Amino acid sequence: DAGITQSPRHKVTETGTPVTLRCHQTENHRYMYWYRQDPGHGLRLIHYSYGVKDTDKGEVSDGYSVSRSKTEDFLLTLESATSSQTSVYFCAISLTLNTEAFFGQGTRLTVV
Amino acid sequence: TQLLEQSPQFLSIQEGENLTVYCNSSSVFSSLQWYRQEPGEGPVLLVTVVTGGEVKKLKRLTFQFGDARKDSSLHITAAQPGDTGLYLCAGAVASGSARQLTFGSGTQLTVLP
Repeated sequence: DAGITQSPRHKVTETGTPVTLRCHQTENHRYMYWYRQDPGHGLRLIHYSYGVKDTDKGEVSDGYSVSRSKTEDFLLTLESATSSQTSVYFCAISLTLNTEAFFGQGTRLTVV
Repeated sequence: TQLLEQSPQFLSIQEGENLTVYCNSSSVFSSLQWYRQEPGEGPVLLVTVVTGGEVKKLKRLTFQFGDARKDSSLHITAAQPGDTGLYLCAGAVASGSARQLTFGSGTQLTVLP
């Protein structure tokens, strides 16, 4: 298994509070991604990173920000959580273009 | 954003039956990947196809990439309960300086013993 750790695995938070999810890899892969998975929508890209301090938006980036200060860590922050951000969040890594993505085990976030 | 449509959305079959899952798009992809996801886990890559018309086999699973690289299929022969899971296709487009994967919404397969 690829060395990807997401934390926390489960979180319940209140509307309006900030939340940070962490993804840590031990594979030294260049690319890191944050996806959300919702019924009927599959996996949708939130943000991705192609190097330290190099990030870009995905298709559902509104309300989310990311940071990558080290190769191994990619943080996803919900500045002010809303109920629509209740979802399962997956981090993924890939080595280069046109190679497979390895996924973490996911973080189930509930915003009440 | 490239759209990938998977069909069927749900499939429930008896052990030993054959099945085919489809992944279709109007976009051309540089490669297409198939993943399987089990409850509470992240998706795990099954195969990557990169050449139009390519066929890859993984034991009882056969993957085909369309000639125009816009569609793909996954055929399972003699399905077993262990094949139960969510099957996702994902098309890769070389876009700018980073790669993006577009995922289909998945096919939930249940194989009954």
